[in-house]
Amino acid sequence: DIYMTQSPSTLSASVGDRVTIACRASRNITHWVAWYQQKPGKAPKALIYEASGLVSGVPSRFSGSGSGTEFTLTINNLQPDDFATYYCQEYSRNFGQGTRVEVK
Amino acid sequence: EVQLVESGGDVVQPGGSMRLSCAASGFTFRNYWMSWVRQAPGKGLEWVANIKEDGSEKYYDDSVQGRFTISRDNAKNSLFLQMNSLRHEDTAVYYCARDISWGQGTQVTVSS
Repeated sequence: DIYMTQSPSTLSASVGDRVTIACRASRNITHWVAWYQQKPGKAPKALIYEASGLVSGVPSRFSGSGSGTEFTLTINNLQPDDFATYYCQEYSRNFGQGTRVEVK
Repeated sequence: EVQLVESGGDVVQPGGSMRLSCAASGFTFRNYWMSWVRQAPGKGLEWVANIKEDGSEKYYDDSVQGRFTISRDNAKNSLFLQMNSLRHEDTAVYYCARDISWGQGTQVTVSS
């Protein structure tokens, strides 16, 4: 099995900040990573596919990068609607533990 | 547009069984791997199982191996999850997923 390790588990930030979330795979998964945003009581919403592809309709302040075992989700100019929990996932398999982005 | 609609969630006693269904539309179902993912109350996302396009390969998380069975009916564009020997810790919202597209989930509660 491939394990996904996400950090940090909680991140305190302010509106307008640049936020970076890291995800490390236990083995090389090339570009097969997706990133999701989840708000309480809602289904996860896909933001990034195949490590760096922006899902249609997702604001361009979200971006993904990385390959192999190291991946990053970046949110530029953090907006009030972005305070949520974020997960990385090896495609159709395991998830990272999640990162909660909270108001500083 | 990809649409995935789960059903079958309910309250069941420990040791009981339940079958979840997922109706797929908006894409050629028989051409895609499909997955089940769950989320226990207050916890993170957990992959449960997935199945190859033709049903010939199936994979399970260790926590459900031997108790859950994933299956599909490509003629009816449907995905299933048969859950047996249910435990309190199986209580969760269960999502059907195709790659990054997910349904809205169905609630499974295991309680006496």
